[in-house]
Amino acid sequence: KQEVTQIPAALSVPEGENLVLNCSFTDSAIYNLQWFRQDPGKGLTSLLLIQSSQREQTSGRLNASLDKSSGRSTLYIAASQPGDSATYLCAVAPQGGSEKLVFGKGMKLTVNP
Amino acid sequence: DTEVTQTPKHLVMGMTNKKSLKCEQHMGHRAMYWYKQKAKKPPELMFVYSYEKLSINESVPSRFSPECPNSSLLNLHLHALQPEDSALYLCASSSSPPGAAYNEQFFGPGTRLTVL
Repeated sequence: KQEVTQIPAALSVPEGENLVLNCSFTDSAIYNLQWFRQDPGKGLTSLLLIQSSQREQTSGRLNASLDKSSGRSTLYIAASQPGDSATYLCAVAPQGGSEKLVFGKGMKLTVNP
Repeated sequence: DTEVTQTPKHLVMGMTNKKSLKCEQHMGHRAMYWYKQKAKKPPELMFVYSYEKLSINESVPSRFSPECPNSSLLNLHLHALQPEDSALYLCASSSSPPGAAYNEQFFGPGTRLTVL
C-alpha cells in the first residue's frame, strides 16, 4: 500500500530563506507526483507536476525534483516571502490497483516578515 | 480559462434537508472529481467521473449522490446528512482520467458545508 510522508509537519522561517520541503513515498511505481499549496479554508492550488520519467520541474521560484528509486521528492522555494505561508501537500498517482492520488498529510509553512 | 468554480461557497443545512453542490470547468477536461476534506487532514477522494461516466466510487454513503450532466458540470446531491459530514467539499478536474502519466488535477475553491 502506497504511503506518503511529509516531515516536518510545520516549519517557521524568516523571510528571504531558501527552503527545502521533503516528501517521501513507499512504492516507486507511480505515474507522477504533484505538489500543491493550500491556504486556510481554500482549495488546493497545483504548483508543479513531475511525471515518473522526469527528474525535475521548475516554475518561477519553485523547483521540484523527483528521485523515484529512493522514493523522494523535494520542493525548493527560493527567497521565501510571507505570501508563501500556506500548507504544502505532495501527492503521488500510483500505478496499478486504485488509481486515486495518495496525499501526504501536508507541511504548514510560516514565513515571518 | 484555467479555473474550476464551485457554488455555493458556504452551505448550512439540517439533517432532513436536500441540497446540491455544483462544480463547473471550461478547460475541456474529461475527468472530474469530488473530494471531502476535514480540518487539518488531506483531501479524501469520494467519486471520479471519466468521460461523464462514474468510474470510481470510494464506498461513499448513499446520502451523497453524484451527477455529471455534461462534460463541464458536476453536481453532488446531498440528502439526510449527518453532523459528521460537515467538511470542505472540493471539486477537481484533469485533462485525462486517472492512470495517465500527465494527469494534473486542478481544484476549485471548495464548499464549506455545515450540517446541524
